[in-house]
Amino acid sequence: AQSVTQPDIHITVSEGASLELRCNYSYGATPYLFWYVQSPGQGLQLLLKYFSGDTLVQGIKGFEAEFKRSQSSFNLRKPSVHWSDAAEYFCAVGAMWEYGNKLVFGAGTILRVKS
Amino acid sequence: GAVVSQHPSRVICKSGTSVKIECRSLDFQATTMFWYRQFPKQSLMLMATSNEGSKATYEQGVEKDKFLINHASLTLSTLTVTSAHPEDSSFYICSAPGLAGGSNQETQYFGPGTRLLVL
Repeated sequence: AQSVTQPDIHITVSEGASLELRCNYSYGATPYLFWYVQSPGQGLQLLLKYFSGDTLVQGIKGFEAEFKRSQSSFNLRKPSVHWSDAAEYFCAVGAMWEYGNKLVFGAGTILRVKS
Repeated sequence: GAVVSQHPSRVICKSGTSVKIECRSLDFQATTMFWYRQFPKQSLMLMATSNEGSKATYEQGVEKDKFLINHASLTLSTLTVTSAHPEDSSFYICSAPGLAGGSNQETQYFGPGTRLLVL
């Protein structure tokens, strides 16, 4: 069965510093991988996704992620964090299922930004 | 982009009552919608898959008689929490798959969530 591990529950970075959020997945086939962001009390917003092709994926708000098959990872990065990036970030793997794409989420990483 | 709405955004109810939550795809049709539950400081857990024109498919451990799902049309799915109890208090989120920006790659679009508090 597919699973997603986000090893960091909380991360605190200074505004302007670089950011990397880790995500490892377990899936038997080629995965569809996603990063979502959730602000307090809000729904999920898609940051970026990987389906195939170029393993470095660009997303919204200056985020990017790199798919590394050999490491089963899909880490999220941002070169310079802004205070508005403080939120919870979820990595997810999509498994093709008879009714479409079924998402399995990691536990999430809460990002705190200090000024 | 594709938009999914949920109504209500938050609801408080007494123990023993039933609560209906609506999930609508506003500018696209969805034969399938997904219902998730999120407890505080935890991840989203898939509860069930709502299928237009057929019965919902429930994940292991989710009581189908407790969480009634009806996919009434290609743009509406409802989740009814029957005889709600305080332990049902949670954040319920729906999603619908759509094709993003003219591509042929399916993406899940999430609703803003419904916060349920059962007293």
